[in-house]
Amino acid sequence: EVQVVESGGGLVQPGGSLRLSCAASGFTFSSYEMNWVRQAPGKGLQWVSYIGFSGSSRHYADSVKGRFTISRDNAKNSLHLQMNSLRAEDTAVYYCAREHHLVPGALDYWGQGTLVTVSS
Amino acid sequence: QSVLTQPPSVSGAPGQRVTISCTGSSSNIGAGYDVHWYQQLPGTAPKLLIHGNSNRPSGVPDRFSGSKSGTSASLAITGLQAEDEADYYCQSYDSSLSGWVFGGGTKLTVL
Repeated sequence: EVQVVESGGGLVQPGGSLRLSCAASGFTFSSYEMNWVRQAPGKGLQWVSYIGFSGSSRHYADSVKGRFTISRDNAKNSLHLQMNSLRAEDTAVYYCAREHHLVPGALDYWGQGTLVTVSS
Repeated sequence: QSVLTQPPSVSGAPGQRVTISCTGSSSNIGAGYDVHWYQQLPGTAPKLLIHGNSNRPSGVPDRFSGSKSGTSASLAITGLQAEDEADYYCQSYDSSLSGWVFGGGTKLTVL
């Protein structure tokens, strides 16, 4: 059974850092592109970042560029999101999502999400 | 302000048909990029409903269908059921932003 499970969320002060992780199982992790998508409380979905199969290709939303870094460890079937210089507007549930192997951008499996709260 | 525009809400009675529109521009849907649709039930993660404009993943009922024309796409739901009450999001790629973009979401209420 395909599963992606996020962890690492919590309360952090503005300007602080947090590292999110996503543990993948039930599929050949290295054969799939991965994404992070976030959802602020009561708001819609916002794409955050993408990483290719090997990790050499990475893309970010303008709102997080220069502050967030996506990475993956294919040997450990894990995805990460290093978040620095956090702002109040980064408060959201962060979802790890697998990209369909044949359809670019179609996110076919999502985790349950991990909540990040940026507040003093 | 989302790059893809959806109506904030739609509603319909059980058994009826509803459609949800997703309007983009020449840098996303109009440029030929595929549109995907997601269903988010209250308190849960989004679920892929339609991919590649009109294709249903395994397990999605054929009451759900998608289409695309020009700079817009639509999700149609026929034979509305109470369990269809959820938020629905469209998604595509935007070449100006060099990334995936979502619509603002549409809340479907089954009357």
